[in-house]
Amino acid sequence: GIQVEQSPPDLILQEGANSTLRCNFSDSVNNLQWFHQNPWGQLINLFYIPSGTKQNGRLSATTVATERYSLLYISSSQTTDSGVYFCAVTLNGNQFYFGTGTSLTVIP
Amino acid sequence: EAQVTQNPRYLITVTGKKLTVTCSQNMNHEYMSWYRQDPGLGLRQIYYSMNVEVTDKGDVPEGYKVSRKEKRNFPLILESPSPNQTSLYFCASSLLGTGVQPQHFGDGTRLSIL
Repeated sequence: GIQVEQSPPDLILQEGANSTLRCNFSDSVNNLQWFHQNPWGQLINLFYIPSGTKQNGRLSATTVATERYSLLYISSSQTTDSGVYFCAVTLNGNQFYFGTGTSLTVIP
Repeated sequence: EAQVTQNPRYLITVTGKKLTVTCSQNMNHEYMSWYRQDPGLGLRQIYYSMNVEVTDKGDVPEGYKVSRKEKRNFPLILESPSPNQTSLYFCASSLLGTGVQPQHFGDGTRLSIL
């Protein structure tokens, strides 16, 4: 299967700070998704981003498929951003491979 | 409201006692999938289904069965559960189409097998 590595594994931020999360993958993929798992365990789809850049409010994501990485930017972080961020890739649209996540804690 | 519903949300059971975790979606999605989440390992795919009567193995299918007799339902069956199947389980669904559609997840089922 495809290897997916996320960094950093843990991140603690002061409210209002910016951060960048990284996702590296070992093979060519036809799609990549970013998810947020909130402290209650719910998984929310943030971005579906095979290539290029997308923005949604304070969050944006960039995928450089040719170099096999994606970045998730969080600006002006809020306590509600706390949780675990996962990236997931797929080669064929059927089988998905998740990274081990970045655990983010935003302190007031 | 569009949603993926899993039941039960929590279950404590014993080794060898067959159990089924149900998953139902009301979005008419073709694609459904099961994942397990373990500390330090992220989510790993167990089985997926592209449509009714079409299922295939993911990365960690051993010890699990699935069926897709109706489009909306995709139950996960543990015929003879063992303690190493203690985990948090998620069901997900999505449309099929150009590229890959975003997956919608259920709220999870926490299984403890003693």
